[in-house]
Amino acid sequence: NAGVMQNPRHLVRRRGQEARLRCSPMKGHSHVYWYRQLPEEGLKFMVYLQKENIIDESGMPKERFSAEFPKEGPSILRIQQVVRGDSAAYFCASSPDRPNYGYTFGSGTRLTVV
Amino acid sequence: RKEVEQDPGPFNVPEGATVAFNCTYSNSASQSFFWYRQDCRKEPKLLMSVYSSGNEDGRFTAQLNRASQYISLLIRDSKLSDSATYLCVVNVAGNQFYFGTGTSLTVIP
Repeated sequence: NAGVMQNPRHLVRRRGQEARLRCSPMKGHSHVYWYRQLPEEGLKFMVYLQKENIIDESGMPKERFSAEFPKEGPSILRIQQVVRGDSAAYFCASSPDRPNYGYTFGSGTRLTVV
Repeated sequence: RKEVEQDPGPFNVPEGATVAFNCTYSNSASQSFFWYRQDCRKEPKLLMSVYSSGNEDGRFTAQLNRASQYISLLIRDSKLSDSATYLCVVNVAGNQFYFGTGTSLTVIP
């Protein structure tokens, strides 16, 4: 029973490039959440999605960041024109309809912008 | 006001010590509560749920005080392997959970 799968584990991008982070939820989970963790800081909520719908994107920066969770395939967090300040660990979590036991997190994608 | 607040620490305690973390939440309608553990550069993992009656799992005890809107985590007989960041998590409604910024614990030999 595979857990939440995130890829790539590590991603290096030059300033101005695009970064695409992928997340496949656990089997049976239809809710996906993206969090960002800057070095030496706590988890910051970014966006909550269900299949084909964004439920809450209150934590997403207004520009350059977008997320989707298509009917088929993984959820994608897309960062356009990356800047050094985007360097962080990006964690994806998933849950079933009734998350009685909280979220299950993936191992994260560590983005480094050079 | 933040949904969840924690003392960031760090807490540095000797092996065998007892240490307690507290966390406060702002929404009185919060429904469920959890403690997560995050090791350095790893993903957060569920440590335990927190029930109104309090619950214990080995050396770990979690308690909830709804009147004062705080939850606590007590670790007895600390081990070196307990060194980590402990995150307080609160569910207000539906599927949205709010994470505290975490409390850092280092257990010293």
